[in-house]
Amino acid sequence: SQQGEEDPQALSIQEGENATMNCSYKTSINNLQWYRQNSGRGLVHLILIRSNEREKHSGRLRVTLDTSKKSSSLLITASRAADTASYFCATDNYGQNFVFGPGTRLSVLP
Amino acid sequence: NAGVTQTPKFQVLKTGQSMTLQCAQDMNHNSMYWYRQDPGMGLRLIYYSASEGTTDKGEVPNGYNVSRLNKREFSLRLESAAPSQTSVYFCASSGAGGYNEQFFGPGTRLTVL
Repeated sequence: SQQGEEDPQALSIQEGENATMNCSYKTSINNLQWYRQNSGRGLVHLILIRSNEREKHSGRLRVTLDTSKKSSSLLITASRAADTASYFCATDNYGQNFVFGPGTRLSVLP
Repeated sequence: NAGVTQTPKFQVLKTGQSMTLQCAQDMNHNSMYWYRQDPGMGLRLIYYSASEGTTDKGEVPNGYNVSRLNKREFSLRLESAAPSQTSVYFCASSGAGGYNEQFFGPGTRLTVL
């Protein structure tokens, strides 16, 4: 069964707007990672947040982690058409394997 | 520096045929992974290898076998393909330790008729 569940499943916004997507998980984690997948391509790592961190920034990306609620959010500010992709959260459960959620499909309209 | 490479990119099989998907990485990573991605399902882990010489089952291992040939290469074999194995297969690798990102290959799109 999937550990991470992204919400919403699909999101459509205008260029310049902010996009927020959420991830919930079920068990304790070592860290949580966000990945982007452009259509027909492999996944690309965006950002990693450790279980003892609450917020992390990377360029236009901001990730938060609330371990008490077992949830994380990814905020993309000032979105661009090139941000159109699917976004996945992946949880590292203190093991060697990662568990990915089903993803959020983001469409940024010009 | 090619990263993670996969062959082939596309493959069509008939039910019952066998094939091996190849994966290689040039980043000196210890850990390697095989995932399958079905529409709306995200990625599901088939097998992983934490280091050369070791392999472990993931969430959906049935119908697959793997070989960690050396530190660079990790292959996935379908002994008797079934239509339910129609999917996109991704190989990934990561460094040792608990705070490492995964690097993904471009994927193999497999259709089983």
